[in-house]
Amino acid sequence: AQSVTQLGSHVSVSEGALVLLRCNYSSSVPPYLFWYVQYPNQGLQLLLKYTSAATLVKGINGFEAEFKKSETSFHLTKPSAHMSDAAEYFCAVSGPNFGNEKLTFGTGTRLTIIP
Amino acid sequence: GAVVSQHPSWVICKSGTSVKIECRSLDFQATTMFWYRQFPKQSLMLMATSNEGSKATYEQGVEKDKFLINHASLTLSTLTVTSAHPEDSSFYICSARDQGNDSPLHFGNGTRLTVT
Repeated sequence: AQSVTQLGSHVSVSEGALVLLRCNYSSSVPPYLFWYVQYPNQGLQLLLKYTSAATLVKGINGFEAEFKKSETSFHLTKPSAHMSDAAEYFCAVSGPNFGNEKLTFGTGTRLTIIP
Repeated sequence: GAVVSQHPSWVICKSGTSVKIECRSLDFQATTMFWYRQFPKQSLMLMATSNEGSKATYEQGVEKDKFLINHASLTLSTLTVTSAHPEDSSFYICSARDQGNDSPLHFGNGTRLTVT
């Protein structure tokens, strides 16, 4: 079984400040990990994914995440927050054969940017 | 890039009626599509996996007869909410994967269903 836990349902940061959204995973097989962003009343957009290659993954919009096996973590960061980053962020996990497997999503973190 | 189109984006219906939601892959073929349900301020819950040319695979606790899924072609899957009730009101999102194990999931923009 696989699962992800997102610590903090709400995170607020000032514009220009560091963004850190936490995600810890549990998996009995080597995981594939994802971060998605959702804007109001829209579907999900892939920010980045980890598929057992480089542990530091760079995504779109200046986001990156680091896979740390020892900590079973895949935290999402961005050096400088922008107002347009305000959205809901979901961490997700799937198995190595993810072409045929389902994603399991975390409960989400709502990011608010303070002007 | 690959795009998944979901229609309608919102729908209001009366209790007891049925509503059909379409999910189309616009520039790729998808043998598998996924249907999710999202309650307000909660995560996405996988309802079922739609398989082209065969029966859908439903997650535990999802009523097959209530949420009918049809995947008649490689670019179209439909979810029909039958005999809708107010508790079926939710945000429904579909996703599809381009062929190839390294392809990411592409999500539709969702359908907000309100049952009155």
